[in-house]
Amino acid sequence: ETGVTQSPTHLIKTRGQQVTLRCSSQSGHNTVSWYQQALGQGPQFIFQYYREEENGRGNFPPRFSGLQFPNYSSELNVNALELDDSALYLCASSFAANYGYTFGSGTRLTVV
Amino acid sequence: EDKVVQSPLSLVVHEGDTVTLNCSYEVTNFRSLLWYKQEKKAPTFLFMLTSSGIEKKSGRLSSILDKKELFSILNITATQTGDSAVYLCAVVSTSGTYKYIFGTGTRLKVLA
Repeated sequence: ETGVTQSPTHLIKTRGQQVTLRCSSQSGHNTVSWYQQALGQGPQFIFQYYREEENGRGNFPPRFSGLQFPNYSSELNVNALELDDSALYLCASSFAANYGYTFGSGTRLTVV
Repeated sequence: EDKVVQSPLSLVVHEGDTVTLNCSYEVTNFRSLLWYKQEKKAPTFLFMLTSSGIEKKSGRLSSILDKKELFSILNITATQTGDSAVYLCAVVSTSGTYKYIFGTGTRLKVLA
């Protein structure tokens, strides 16, 4: 059973809307990364947070933003949703910025 | 541009068969290579490889890395229906930030 929990598990949004996805890291983990996995593809790195600061970002536009809180839980926010944003969003946490990650079960977002 | 390529994209075998999954990569600042099994949502960790030529083994699964030729293989012997899943290869890069670069995965289906 994974120690990383994500909510909600499924979500349907309309194009142009905004969405917030949540992640509760495994106990003791201070680093969190978010990945987008489109259908039939491997996960793509969105960004990473370490001790509440963004310390790395993949090739995603600014409408993808995030937060990490003092308890190391995290949010992924996506503004102005597009149909191509439909994907499984995975959160992964680690106890240090350069150690292996534990993945959550993901949030499946559908944009219609 | 960093890339990780997996082959084959999909594979159908019968129980008891042996399969070999391939992963080749071109990644700057290589740190390690990981294999994951993804059945429904959360990728589950199988192996982490950092050194060439050292086989990692867990039950019927084994994996090896060749850092000179830039590839890794994952072998599954005596396959079972429970091995049916998508197998993801990820290379850890420390270029810019510590991140995983995933391949598209190999979808394995094991028939009874």
